[in-house]
Amino acid sequence: GDSVTQMEGPVTLSEEAFLTINCTYTATGYPSLFWYVQYPGEGLQLLLKATKADDKGSNKGFEATYRKETTSFHLEKGSVQVSDSAVYFCALNRGSGGYQKVTFGIGTKLQVIP
Amino acid sequence: EAQVTQNPRYLITVTGKKLTVTCSQNMNHEYMSWYRQDPGLGLRQIYYSMNVEVTDKGDVPEGYKVSRKEKRNFPLILESPSPNQTSLYFCASSLFPNQPQHFGDGTRLSIL
Repeated sequence: GDSVTQMEGPVTLSEEAFLTINCTYTATGYPSLFWYVQYPGEGLQLLLKATKADDKGSNKGFEATYRKETTSFHLEKGSVQVSDSAVYFCALNRGSGGYQKVTFGIGTKLQVIP
Repeated sequence: EAQVTQNPRYLITVTGKKLTVTCSQNMNHEYMSWYRQDPGLGLRQIYYSMNVEVTDKGDVPEGYKVSRKEKRNFPLILESPSPNQTSLYFCASSLFPNQPQHFGDGTRLSIL
């Protein structure tokens, strides 16, 4: 079956540090890939997406590139802020007309200290 | 405002007492899903629905039921809850099957 692997953390960084959260996946077919962010007490929000190989998703300074050859979708940000502290989920979506199978990683907690 | 609304937000109940968690979306989305979130396991899909009267199992459907009688609503039913169903539950919706989902704020269930 499908699977998504990411480290659980917590990842603790100082403000303005470089962030990388690794995400690798296994899936049949050609899934869409997503990063979602969850702030305390809230639901998940879409951070960025990529729907095919070599697509780069970007939003709010975060980036991730869909790498089919390495089955990866690593999240990066050049300079993190305290407000980026949250839990980040990598997800793949194998959806078509008749189904919507979504698989999430375990989530990576990011703590940014001033 | 586009939103997915879940109720209740918090519920403490006892083993075997039937309960329903409601989910409603105002975006005219075709696809809706239920997830449970557990520490160390991330989110796992329980059930999803492609349209009215069309539902299918996700990865962890045991002990749960769903229905989709109207496009906007997708309730999750626990007919005989057990302590291992204590979890944080999320409802989500999307217009197309491979598009990003909009999530509700979650329902924290405690089954004693």
